[in-house]
Amino acid sequence: NAGVTQTPKFQVLKTGQSMTLQCAQDMNHEYMSWYRQDPGMGLRLIHYSVGAGITDQGEVPNGYNVSRSTTEDFPLRLLSAAPSQTSVYFCASSYLRGNEQFFGPGTRLTVL
Amino acid sequence: AQTVTQSQPEMSVQEAETVTLSCTYDTSESDYYLFWYKQPPSRQMILVIRQEAYKQQNATENRFSVNFQKAAKSFSLKISDSQLGDAAMYFCAYRSAFSGKVIFGPGTSLSVIP
Repeated sequence: NAGVTQTPKFQVLKTGQSMTLQCAQDMNHEYMSWYRQDPGMGLRLIHYSVGAGITDQGEVPNGYNVSRSTTEDFPLRLLSAAPSQTSVYFCASSYLRGNEQFFGPGTRLTVL
Repeated sequence: AQTVTQSQPEMSVQEAETVTLSCTYDTSESDYYLFWYKQPPSRQMILVIRQEAYKQQNATENRFSVNFQKAAKSFSLKISDSQLGDAAMYFCAYRSAFSGKVIFGPGTSLSVIP
């Protein structure tokens, strides 16, 4: 099992550019989520999904879009990058109910 | 909306001593789950311990235990016999049994002094 994989590991964008952060899991987890981690602010939930075709907003959804067309994949799209989106992004997955989440290795994104 | 608060941005402990990290949360839900995760400098997120809200018994995992006070909405983590490898960021997390979503507190940076 590869677990949760994220690509790319590092990315530098210019303000206004768009890009997609990829996330995939091979554990057949229903639940997938995206977080951003900034110093002193912990992990803040951007979007989450409880199954294919179902997504919902988290705490900080503005500027980000998601879709879940398959159980395995949950890409995060930045529509028009801004310097405030400079952060480390984590994807996570789990079974539903009270199960622990498994995290990807993270993507460090810098927006100039 | 649910919130998770960790009031100690930084803590330190002598090797082999005991330390307690605090976490409080706010929710109107009655069914939920609480977690402590550890994040070492490698950035990997590691589950430390899990508590089900409907279980009154406090969870324990080897040197790690929690003090879960449901009425007070408090969920503290006690680390006994602290080791150098315990140095890390520790995050408290809340999982809704209704929506499934998981939110985190801001974290506590723990240093272990040899």
